[in-house]
Amino acid sequence: DTEVTQTPKHLVMGMTNKKSLKCEQHMGHRAMYWYKQKAKKPPELMFVYSYEKLSINESVPSRFSPECPNSSLLNLHLHALQPEDSALYLCASSNSASPTYEQYFGPGTRLTVT
Amino acid sequence: GESVGLHLPTLSVQEGDNSIINCAYSNSASDYFIWYKQESGKGPQFIIDIRSNMDKRQGQRVTVLLNKTVKHLSLQIAATQPGDSAAYFCAETGNFNKFYFGSGTKLNVKP
Repeated sequence: DTEVTQTPKHLVMGMTNKKSLKCEQHMGHRAMYWYKQKAKKPPELMFVYSYEKLSINESVPSRFSPECPNSSLLNLHLHALQPEDSALYLCASSNSASPTYEQYFGPGTRLTVT
Repeated sequence: GESVGLHLPTLSVQEGDNSIINCAYSNSASDYFIWYKQESGKGPQFIIDIRSNMDKRQGQRVTVLLNKTVKHLSLQIAATQPGDSAAYFCAETGNFNKFYFGSGTKLNVKP
């Protein structure tokens, strides 16, 4: 199984809502990532988890809160988002947190903030 | 963060022709580079990678060239097919496990 799954596929939320994005992999990977991708732009790194611990936070606003409950799951909790946070949110995993390991990406969650 | 950019935002090629997608990077300390393909509605998919101690690497129908002197990376696709139509991103990393993606090129393959 070389698949990273993400749910939901699409999400529309208001600025006062609280929602969560979920990511799952069963490849035994020990590093997981969240990226944000605006239309026609490259993915931008948000968070990196290594062995279930947050190792990198790319100065992401606190309205985004990541969580890694176990080695297979990665969540992104959303609260009080702004319309400019509308984007495709991509999850990825890799065998190691070393930068020379291929990252496997999920299909993303298309988020719209109204 | 490091800057990785591309010369051409879009590229249209005829089916069967070879395609060349270019990428410039600014961090001379970068030591690992990857090309990703992203089809519409999907996440990026790994194509090929190259380390800084190499200047060329070949895969199936794809070749990546690295010129460290001018900090330039290219992806060559041989006999381009309609299924190659997608956005292509280069990514580089030299620090920890941070990947920085270039601005991307949209490849359109005309039948």
